[in-house]
Amino acid sequence: AQTVTQSQPEMSVQEAETVTLSCTYDTSESNYYLFWYKQPPSRQMILVIRQEAYKQQNATENRFSVNFQKAAKSFSLKISDSQLGDTAMYFCALGNNDMRFGAGTRLTVKP
Amino acid sequence: NAGVMQNPRHLVRRRGQEARLRCSPMKGHSHVYWYRQLPEEGLKFMVYLQKENIIDESGMPKERFSAEFPKEGPSILRIQQVVRGDSAAYFCASSPLFWTASLNTEAFFGQGTRLTVV
Repeated sequence: AQTVTQSQPEMSVQEAETVTLSCTYDTSESNYYLFWYKQPPSRQMILVIRQEAYKQQNATENRFSVNFQKAAKSFSLKISDSQLGDTAMYFCALGNNDMRFGAGTRLTVKP
Repeated sequence: NAGVMQNPRHLVRRRGQEARLRCSPMKGHSHVYWYRQLPEEGLKFMVYLQKENIIDESGMPKERFSAEFPKEGPSILRIQQVVRGDSAAYFCASSPLFWTASLNTEAFFGQGTRLTVV
């Protein structure tokens, strides 16, 4: 069975600082994708960043980057220069033949 | 190309009534996923369907809940005899094929249906 664990229910960060959200997963598949989704108060799910498991290079999207450790089955999200608009729930997800989500981390960016 | 459409956005039902939630996937998508999000909690997988087939319903409660994705029309999540504990946001996502079969595959989510049972 595929599982995704986010061990930080809530986090906060000062505006302009850097924060890292943790995610670990378990799967028996060798080929899969990992995702971070953002859910702002509007409740819409927005894809933040995607990582293919066969790629060793960590994905980067502007202020968002990941630290993908395949052997450790860890996939953390780093947000640099945090902005007030980054305040949201963040979900880590594992995708193979279906998609499974972690419980989410509620991030608050403080002015 | 319209995104994933869910309706209604808000649904209020009295205890014991039936709730029907609809999800129209993106054009060309044949895979649909339903998730439930309880207040202040994360997303819980419910069911994964392809056209006319239920692929994985391991997250569906054994009673009162059912889902379908007919050859024509939207996917329907049906909750019979609703109870207060069914109050939640229900999200639908769609994708064109298995996640790993395309480099650009990702799930596209609808806006969700917020079900309130009174």
